[in-house]
Amino acid sequence: DAGVIQSPRHEVTEMGQEVTLRCKPISGHNSLFWYRQTMMRGLELLIYFNNNVPIDDSGMPEDRFSAKMPNASFSTLKIQPSEPRDSAVYFCASSSYSGGLGNIQYFGAGTRLSVL
Amino acid sequence: GQQLNQSPQSMFIQEGEDVSMNCTSSSIFNTWLWYKQDPGEGPVLLIALYKAGELTSNGRLTAQFGITRKDSFLNISASIPSDVGIYFCAAPPDQGGSEKLVFGKGTKLTVNP
Repeated sequence: DAGVIQSPRHEVTEMGQEVTLRCKPISGHNSLFWYRQTMMRGLELLIYFNNNVPIDDSGMPEDRFSAKMPNASFSTLKIQPSEPRDSAVYFCASSSYSGGLGNIQYFGAGTRLSVL
Repeated sequence: GQQLNQSPQSMFIQEGEDVSMNCTSSSIFNTWLWYKQDPGEGPVLLIALYKAGELTSNGRLTAQFGITRKDSFLNISASIPSDVGIYFCAAPPDQGGSEKLVFGKGTKLTVNP
């Protein structure tokens, strides 16, 4: 069974360019999460979706960041325009949340973004 | 907010040594999760704990759900080079009433052969 698939694995871009990160969650999972990881701040939740609907985007740094989930098998995180301080590893995770205990999230391998 | 404090931040040990790390909070949690992140990869679940006092093993790893429900511990016995990585604790806030997870900042483990 395939896990969470992220693309690209690495992205190098110049300041001001648009960056799009992609994620395919595990089939059957109904929740999808976007995280950013840096040395200074650790793992930060940016936004999460449940049944393709954005539930909490309070972690999105600013208007330059946007995320969509057009269907149950695909999500994008877009940064426009990108800035050097956006350089980080971005993770997508999915879970099959049904309330109560057991909020196990499964992570993709991440996209390492470098903005020059 | 509900924060998880992990200690130590980093550890440097010799192959064969045992390792202990912990995760504490001022808040109560109903579930504790331990993840490991290998270099260049995403976090992978190691152990899930669902009951106060629970002790669960996964090979050389043993984790415990603290009696107070405010802490958890992870032990690794007879460490090997492939144990290198960052170990994160995580827990669902609001006593499980949320899909989100709160993560600690991790314990970075280095094993010298």
